[in-house]
Amino acid sequence: DTAVSQTPKYLVTQMGNDKSIKCEQNLGHDTMYWYKQDSKKFLKIMFSYNNKELIINETVPNRFSPKSPDKAHLNLHINSLELGDSAVYFCASSPSRAAEQFFGPGTRLTVL
Amino acid sequence: GEDVEQSLFLSVREGDSSVINCTYTDSSSTYLYWYKQEPGAGLQLLTYIFSNMDMKQDQRLTVLLNKKDKHLSLRIADTQTGDSAIYFCAEIPSGGSYIPTFGRGTSLIVHP
Repeated sequence: DTAVSQTPKYLVTQMGNDKSIKCEQNLGHDTMYWYKQDSKKFLKIMFSYNNKELIINETVPNRFSPKSPDKAHLNLHINSLELGDSAVYFCASSPSRAAEQFFGPGTRLTVL
Repeated sequence: GEDVEQSLFLSVREGDSSVINCTYTDSSSTYLYWYKQEPGAGLQLLTYIFSNMDMKQDQRLTVLLNKKDKHLSLRIADTQTGDSAIYFCAEIPSGGSYIPTFGRGTSLIVHP
């Protein structure tokens, strides 16, 4: 059973388009995260939700909007995609805010 | 803000020990994690230590923490070619923001 899953795995799109990435965890965790990993493997937190409430929002353009319909899901919607948005986006979940995190397999976004 | 530093590369021979180093800046109580990332995959938790501990051992992995110098190390005994991956050090302060900060990752290359 996959603990943290993301769809799609690959996403190729044109500049200016709007796209969404979905994340689901079946671990019963309270906290979920979105990270961006650039081409040099630098991993930066973008957002975190705890029990469906936004608790971390780290200097991310407002073109990025997370949504948590329930504790098990955290989606990421990106408007007006730019070349610099090309990266691998990872979803993660954890039992609580300081606990170990379980990562999804990543979504590789390529903006042309 | 918090900062986590790691050297970028480490090359060892199969069977030798590997030591990956990390320094962090947060002075409050904090959780410190080591993650492994294989090509094309998400991050996998290896081990963790809380800042009131000095050492933790788990099979081939030994984590040492020098609180005075804010220095964390991960020792892998009897390194195997399957250990080749990127290793990330991460810090999550246990009070206040709970914002995770990851190092840039150390690429471990194991030669036969």
